[in-house]
Amino acid sequence: GQQVMQIPQYQHVQEGEDFTTYCNSSTTLSNIQWYKQRPGGHPVFLIQLVKSGEVKKQKRLTFQFGEAKKNSSLHITATQTTDVGTYFCANMNTGFQKLVFGTGTRLLVSP
Amino acid sequence: DADVTQTPRNRITKTGKRIMLECSQTKGHDRMYWYRQDPGLGLQLIYYSFDVKDINKGEISDGYSVSRQAQAKFSLSLESAIPNQTALYFCATSDGRLTGRDTQYFGPGTRLTVL
Repeated sequence: GQQVMQIPQYQHVQEGEDFTTYCNSSTTLSNIQWYKQRPGGHPVFLIQLVKSGEVKKQKRLTFQFGEAKKNSSLHITATQTTDVGTYFCANMNTGFQKLVFGTGTRLLVSP
Repeated sequence: DADVTQTPRNRITKTGKRIMLECSQTKGHDRMYWYRQDPGLGLQLIYYSFDVKDINKGEISDGYSVSRQAQAKFSLSLESAIPNQTALYFCATSDGRLTGRDTQYFGPGTRLTVL
């Protein structure tokens, strides 16, 4: 089945440093959704990208969808301790029936 | 979201026992999902349902069954629990009307331990 690979698996940064997680696919993606899961919490929807080359911003978070629609990235500028959690990308499968989640990137931010 | 609730939140059981996890939603969504989360493996889809009469297997349905009692209720059963089913289980819902673009809303999760 369609797989979405996410890297890195884990990153530990100092507060104020930037962070980026990447989502890659060998096939063209119909769209990309990003979710955040705080420690002990449940995944929460952040954003959806559907157009080739699309860039969206949410305060310190910048989301990009690749021109070929085979990859996506989430960049956090000047991380804060509130950014701690696991970030998942997800893609709707070919039949538009279900989301396929990446393995996630766990972010730890030290004060 | 409080719109999607799961019971119980935590459960410890023994090998061979039958367990039911329940999910209820007040979002009015047609689509409901059950996921399993293991450390380092992300979210794996167990079953999904697009309406009361439409139930589909996901990636890891073996050892699990589901029941969609109403639009708002979707239950997951482990007929005979085994230790490797120890995991965090999430229920989720989606609207389904925006074909290919609907987002999912997750419940708080049920932490299941099988001894």
